[in-house]
Parts: sequence; C-alpha cells; structure tokens
Amino acid sequence: ELKVEQNPLFLSMQEGKNYTIYCNYSTTSDRLYWYRQDPGKSLESLFVLLSNGAVKQEGRLMASLDTKARLSTLHITAAVHDLSATYFCAVFYMEYGNKLVFGAGTILRVKS
Amino acid sequence: KAGVTQTPRYLIKTRGQQVTLSCSPISGHRSVSWYQQTPGQGLQFLFEYFSETQRNKGNFPGRFSGRQFSNSRSEMNVSTLELGDSALYLCASRDSLEAFFGQGTRLTVV
Repeated sequence: ELKVEQNPLFLSMQEGKNYTIYCNYSTTSDRLYWYRQDPGKSLESLFVLLSNGAVKQEGRLMASLDTKARLSTLHITAAVHDLSATYFCAVFYMEYGNKLVFGAGTILRVKS
Repeated sequence: KAGVTQTPRYLIKTRGQQVTLSCSPISGHRSVSWYQQTPGQGLQFLFEYFSETQRNKGNFPGRFSGRQFSNSRSEMNVSTLELGDSALYLCASRDSLEAFFGQGTRLTVV
C-alpha cells in the first residue's frame, strides 16, 4: 500500500519562530511535491523535488528530499501570518499509474 | 498562459441524480487527473487520462467515470449520487514534471 504520512497534522506557531513539517512515504519514489491550500481554494504548487538531496527555497520556506530515508521536510523560517494555510506533500508514482499520493495535510496557524 | 479551468465551480444535487464535471487543462498538456477531496478521506486519486485513454483508476465504485476528448478536455461523471459524494473535485493538468490544479468543483449532495 502506498502511504504518505505528514506530521504534525496541526501546527500553531508564533510569528518569527521556525518549524519543520515532516513527510514520510512508504514506497520509493524520486519525485515529491509540496502544495499549499487556502480555505476553500485549490492547491498551489510550492516545490517540485526531483532527486535525492534536492533542496529548494522560496522566501521563508525551504523543502528538501531524502529518497533513501523516504523523507521530505518543509522548513519554515521566521513565520509570518500570511503563511497560515494547509500544506500537503504528495509523492508521485509513475509505476503505480502516474498518480500523486497525498499526505493528510498540515494545518498551519501563525499567530501574531 | 491560461491555467486549468474547471466548471462549474459549485453544484448542488439531490441523491440519486447524476452529475458531470468538466476540466480544461493547460494548453499542450495531454495528461489530466482527477482527485476527490473530503475532510474525512483527504485527497484521493480518481483516474488519469492521457491522449483520450484512461491509464489508471483509483479505488472508487463504477459510478465514477470519465473521459477525455481529442482537445485534452476531460469530463468526469458520477451517477446515482450519494451523500458521501459531497466533496471538492480537483482536476490536475500535468506535464512531464509538474501537476497544476484547477480551482475545483464543490459538489454538495442533499
């Protein structure tokens, strides 16, 4: 079974603090995505990680991928209120039908 | 470059009815996938179409079906609607590297 686990599922943090969201997956893949979803909205692509050791940064967010450990992290630096949203990691499986398997999502609330 | 367009944005249907949702992918993208999002089950893969062929289907009953046209536009159909089909249905348009999602269709079954 293809499983993707995110933790924590809920994260309440103060502005200015740092934190990391973890994404573990059960079956090997070398392609992982991070998405952001605002309430009632669609999924906005944040990062595409395509190989082991890949690291991408955009503003206060940085994502990394370790395919050997089957682990990705999304690190938040000096959080601001505008980062409040739900964050999903999704693993792409070409050999299982070209599908994305999503984690349950992490609800992030940044308090000012 | 236009994004992924889904219509309609909102639908309210009665149990037992059927519904058709539409998705127009990004120009040049031949792969279209559909996902169902619910609070209880999260985001689940429904099916994927590529060049008018269904390449894969998720673990959903036969009431869920779809098709893709020669211009890559895709439709999904749900027959004999149940209350549990209430969800946000998202369409993804994919190139070789990335999947881009439409705004979704919010289906409410009453």
